[in-house]
Amino acid sequence: DAGVIQSPRHEVTEMGQEVTLRCKPISGHNSLFWYRQTMMRGLELLIYFNNNVPIDDSGMPEDRFSAKMPNASFSTLKIQPSEPRDSAVYFCASRMGLRTYNSPLHFGNGTRLTVT
Amino acid sequence: AQSVTQLDSQVPVFEEAPVELRCNYSSSVSVYLFWYVQYPNQGLQLLLKYLSGSTLVKGINGFEAEFNKSQTSFHLRKPSVHISDTAEYFCAVKWGGSQGNLIFGKGTKLSVKP
Repeated sequence: DAGVIQSPRHEVTEMGQEVTLRCKPISGHNSLFWYRQTMMRGLELLIYFNNNVPIDDSGMPEDRFSAKMPNASFSTLKIQPSEPRDSAVYFCASRMGLRTYNSPLHFGNGTRLTVT
Repeated sequence: AQSVTQLDSQVPVFEEAPVELRCNYSSSVSVYLFWYVQYPNQGLQLLLKYLSGSTLVKGINGFEAEFNKSQTSFHLRKPSVHISDTAEYFCAVKWGGSQGNLIFGKGTKLSVKP
């Protein structure tokens, strides 16, 4: 079990550039979550998918943020254009089922984004 | 609004001392409760969870937590900590009836000193 795989681990970009974060969930998991972690706001849920369908994107901060899940093994979070206040660690997590709490949430190691 | 409060942002303790990390949540309506641990440069890992049944829940690495419905709390405890327990700990709550997202507290950084 390779776990949830996120790439890149670190991303440094200039304000105004497009940023794409990638996530491969654990095979067989059908729920996928994107979180953002900052010192000020802690861990915030941005969006989650079930069976590749976005269920709730109310946590997405602005229209500059978009997420897709074209298939069960891949998701992207895109920021366009990026701004310095988007600097944070972005986590992807996956789980078997949406409401099955006997199945724990598995997190990737995160992507640390720095926008200068 | 539903919220999760971790009162202590940082907790320094000496090795082999007991520790309690506090977590309170905003409503006692049906809840599922979780504690996660985050080691440096890693994602969160599940420590333990309360879904139903016994209010005292035991998790990995010798941690345990007690669900107190009247006080809407789910404090995490360990009788004797190790240097390797140095990490950030997050309490998370899922309220019954809502869809699959957890609400996380802001975390408590546990620093164990020799």
